[in-house]
Amino acid sequence: DSGVTQTPKHLITATGQRVTLRCSPRSGDLSVYWYQQSLDQGLQFLIQYYNGEERAKGNILERFSAQQFPDLHSELNLSSLELGDSALYFCASSDTGSGANVLTFGAGSRLTVL
Amino acid sequence: AQKVTQAQTEISVVEKEDVTLDCVYETRDTTYYLFWYKQPPSGELVFLIRRNSFDEQNEISGRYSWNFQKSTSSFNFTITASQVVDSAVYFCALSDDNDYKLSFGAGTTVTVRA
Repeated sequence: DSGVTQTPKHLITATGQRVTLRCSPRSGDLSVYWYQQSLDQGLQFLIQYYNGEERAKGNILERFSAQQFPDLHSELNLSSLELGDSALYFCASSDTGSGANVLTFGAGSRLTVL
Repeated sequence: AQKVTQAQTEISVVEKEDVTLDCVYETRDTTYYLFWYKQPPSGELVFLIRRNSFDEQNEISGRYSWNFQKSTSSFNFTITASQVVDSAVYFCALSDDNDYKLSFGAGTTVTVRA
């Protein structure tokens, strides 16, 4: 157990729907990262939060949004889902969010869009 | 911009053979950090090693060893006397103090046959 908790583990939904993925970081970590892993794109950085504030943004679609709450858990919202959004979504956490930090990853949420 | 290239898509070896995974990186920063992560068939991402740009010493941890060469911008990973449990996808990754995100290579799938 890495200490980073992601729910749900698996999610199957239809095109056009909206889903929310949840992440609880490791105890003591202030920074949360979201990554998308798909066969054609590999591991893509989506967004990073540090202590509730957005710190860095990657190739995150406008249909996707995220936030980090005061208790430091984070949610990734995916809306108007398309078939191509099917992927494994990872959350990771680190203590200060600097480039030197080791990221600890959760087990991932596997999203299937039918 | 950061870039990590893992030219080897797949490597298949017989148990007890050594296997070397190549990683070439690009960055304009003088301070940066290199990582290797392992993704076994179960899907989670497991941290293996971090190396900062000022520490070019090679490192050995059990059957794992890493060769960092700034002159060729490479950070290669060798598994000695491979075992079936080493079968996984291995990712090389790069971050720096100006760009907080961790950028991953495409990954190399290692299959160790009994």
